[in-house]
Amino acid sequence: AQTVTQSQPEMSVQEAETVTLSCTYDTSESDYYLFWYKQPPSRQMILVIRQEAYKQQNATENRFSVNFQKAAKSFSLKISDSQLGDAAMYFCAYKDDGATNKLIFGTGTLLAVQP
Amino acid sequence: DAGITQSPRHKVTETGTPVTLRCHQTENHRYMYWYRQDPGHGLRLIHYSYGVKDTDKGEVSDGYSVSRSKTEDFLLTLESATSSQTSVYFCAISESFAGTEAFFGQGTRLTVV
Repeated sequence: AQTVTQSQPEMSVQEAETVTLSCTYDTSESDYYLFWYKQPPSRQMILVIRQEAYKQQNATENRFSVNFQKAAKSFSLKISDSQLGDAAMYFCAYKDDGATNKLIFGTGTLLAVQP
Repeated sequence: DAGITQSPRHKVTETGTPVTLRCHQTENHRYMYWYRQDPGHGLRLIHYSYGVKDTDKGEVSDGYSVSRSKTEDFLLTLESATSSQTSVYFCAISESFAGTEAFFGQGTRLTVV
């Protein structure tokens, strides 16, 4: 069965600094997708970034980028120039590229941004 | 915003009673999911559906059942609620292409007393 592991329950970063959130996963599949979601106190789930497993190039969305290491099954999120609005719970997620599109999440990392 | 609605938004129920949570979508998305969110556990998959009448178990399916008789509705039933099922429940939907993001409902806070 697929699993997603986030080993950092909490992280803290100074405003304008850079922080990296870790995520590892386990799967026997070769085709899949990886996501980072943000959950602010409102409980709304917001997509931050996605990565296709067949793409070697790391995805980037403005201040957010990933370091995708397929062989190591690692998918970390880097937030540059951190802003107060980045404070939230961040979830790493894995999705099968198959008939069922099973979508599973890690336990989350709570990010605090210090002014 | 994706058209996905969960009902009820809040519920308090007694141990041993059956409870049904409803997820309704207006997006005609094929895939639907039920999760529970608990501190320290993140979002755990309970059941998911990949089509009408096609469902499968997730990692924490014991004590839960689901039904999907039409595309737009995915029901989660707690057959006999227990205090360990006190949680926030989220429904999510996703299009056929696996690379698309999942859209989430607002969540249902369920308290079993």
